[in-house]
Amino acid sequence: EPEVTQTPSHQVTQMGQEVILRCVPISNHLYFYWYRQILGQKVEFLVSFYNNEISEKSEIFDDQFSVERPDGSNFTLKIRSTKLEDSAMYFCASSENFGGPSNQPQHFGDGTRLSIL
Amino acid sequence: QKEVEQNSGPLSVPEGAIASLNCTYSDRGSQSFFWYRQYSGKSPELIMSIYSNGDKEDGRFTAQLNKASQYVSLLIRDSQPSDSATYLCAVKGIKAAGNKLTFGGGTRVLVKP
Repeated sequence: EPEVTQTPSHQVTQMGQEVILRCVPISNHLYFYWYRQILGQKVEFLVSFYNNEISEKSEIFDDQFSVERPDGSNFTLKIRSTKLEDSAMYFCASSENFGGPSNQPQHFGDGTRLSIL
Repeated sequence: QKEVEQNSGPLSVPEGAIASLNCTYSDRGSQSFFWYRQYSGKSPELIMSIYSNGDKEDGRFTAQLNKASQYVSLLIRDSQPSDSATYLCAVKGIKAAGNKLTFGGGTRVLVKP
């Protein structure tokens, strides 16, 4: 079964450094998402991306965050200057467009655990 | 008011019994509802989706939706120890132009042999 893949599985970074999290969505999917989950807390939406542009973003997704689809397969999340509070699991997800995106479930990757020191 | 609410649990059920999980949501215009299972330290795994009022069955799982009362539930029949996990309710609201999901905090389920 096709799956969303994320790399790396664990990233340790010094505060203030830039970090790029990578995702390969399911190949026929057109909508891409990033979520994060701070340890012990709920899964929170960060951003959605369609047709090479951001379709929606949350308050968390400030100027320190950016997303990009650099080629036909990868989808990346960049945090420019990391803070301690950015430590979390970051999940990439994707969904189809067939039948209308509203009704298409989002499939999640295994996540990247980001630890900021 | 929280957008999506779930009882955090833990919900302890004996093996073979039915586990019943509930979720309420605040956005009356919500369109799509999903149940995900999350094992500790792992990613959310889709179990069920439901879009219209009533029941939807898939194997041992049944999702129930009542839009008038703004709740969605999940029944797990013949519970197995492998069902022990946190179950996340996720809702897509009418205002979510980018199809974002809003998650509840999850209900932790413990199935005891």
